[in-house]
Amino acid sequence: EVQLLESGGGLVQPGGSLRLSCVASGFTFSSFAMTWVRQAPGKGLEWVSDVTGSGGNTFYADSVKGRFTVSRDNSKNTLYLQVNSLRAEDTAVYYCAKARSLVRGVPLDYWGQGILVTVSS
Amino acid sequence: QSVLTQPPSVSAAPGQTVTISCSGSSSNLGNNYVSWYQQLPGTAPKLLIYDNDKRPSGIPDRFSASKSGTSATLGITGLQTGDEADYYCATWDNSLTAGVFGGGTKLTVL
Repeated sequence: EVQLLESGGGLVQPGGSLRLSCVASGFTFSSFAMTWVRQAPGKGLEWVSDVTGSGGNTFYADSVKGRFTVSRDNSKNTLYLQVNSLRAEDTAVYYCAKARSLVRGVPLDYWGQGILVTVSS
Repeated sequence: QSVLTQPPSVSAAPGQTVTISCSGSSSNLGNNYVSWYQQLPGTAPKLLIYDNDKRPSGIPDRFSASKSGTSATLGITGLQTGDEADYYCATWDNSLTAGVFGGGTKLTVL
């Protein structure tokens, strides 16, 4: 059974940083791209970033480029999202999701339960 | 403003059929597969359709989809109250080199 478990969220002040983690199980982690998707309160889904199975290629939404960094440790079956220079508009539930492909971050066939990041003073 | 355009809401009675549209451009839907997701209230999204028209195992055949050019459509037949959810289309955008979602469509089963 595929499981994705996010952690690392919480309340942070504007300009602050967090590192989100997603531990995966139930599949060969290194064989699939992994994606972060977020959802602001009461809003729709926003694709944030993805990383290919090897970790060699990363992609970002314009809204987070230069502030967020996605990475993965295939030896630990773990996906990360380093979020820096946080803004109020980054407040959202962040989902970790498994892609069906090794190299493309969509489509997403399994999703974690989500972790809330709140940016507020 | 989402790159992919969906109607904000649709509604239909139980047992009826509803369609949800997703419109994009040549840089996204025109040259990439579309996928569809269902998000029930308070839960994580679930993959309904991938590669334009394929259903993952466990997704009933009441859900179907198609794509033509820069537009895609999700169809749901035999509507049930349990189908009330938000539905999203998604694809890759070659110009943005990023994934993109539609703005979402709220389905109400009257």
